[in-house]
Amino acid sequence: GENVEQHPSTLSVQEGDSAVIKCTYSDSASNYFPWYKQELGKRPQLIIDIRSNVGEKKDQRIAVTLNKTAKHFSLHITETQPEDSAVYFCAASSGRSGYALNFGKGTSLLVTP
Amino acid sequence: KAGVTQTPRYLIKTRGQQVTLSCSPISGHRSVSWYQQTPGQGLQFLFEYFSETQRNKGNFPGRFSGRQFSNSRSEMNVSTLELGDSALYLCASSSTGSETQYFGPGTRLLVL
Repeated sequence: GENVEQHPSTLSVQEGDSAVIKCTYSDSASNYFPWYKQELGKRPQLIIDIRSNVGEKKDQRIAVTLNKTAKHFSLHITETQPEDSAVYFCAASSGRSGYALNFGKGTSLLVTP
Repeated sequence: KAGVTQTPRYLIKTRGQQVTLSCSPISGHRSVSWYQQTPGQGLQFLFEYFSETQRNKGNFPGRFSGRQFSNSRSEMNVSTLELGDSALYLCASSSTGSETQYFGPGTRLLVL
């Protein structure tokens, strides 16, 4: 089955700096890659997603890049703010018989003022 | 539209018991997926239902089962509970033809 690896597991940055989280996937049929943000005690919230026919997508301070050849995708957060502190999960789905998401283990991001 | 809702939010059970969790998707969404979240294993896919049919199943033992009703509400059942079943159980819904999944707040299950 699909295996998604996520790095780093923890990341600490100063407010205003950029943060980058990287994920790799194993199933070449994967074609949908969402990123979720989960604050303590809250539900995972979709922050951005990308499909395999697109190489990059940006939404204000958040961007995601996809390299299908290398089977990796990354989340970039610029001008980080303390409220960006949370656990971020990447996921991949092939769309074969449904929309099951295979998640990475998560990155705990801490933004210090 | 109201978001995905799950009941109950918290549950304490003892080993050997069974439990049923409920999920109401966003209005109009016909796909419901279930995930187990633990500190050690992260988020793991349990199963997905679409139009009352199980469309996909993760790698969990047969003690984990689910179903979906004609109004798209879904339930999952865990029989013969084990200590390792303690987790946050999340459901997510998506609209027909869309991979985008929206999560509910989860049910936190503690097995003693």
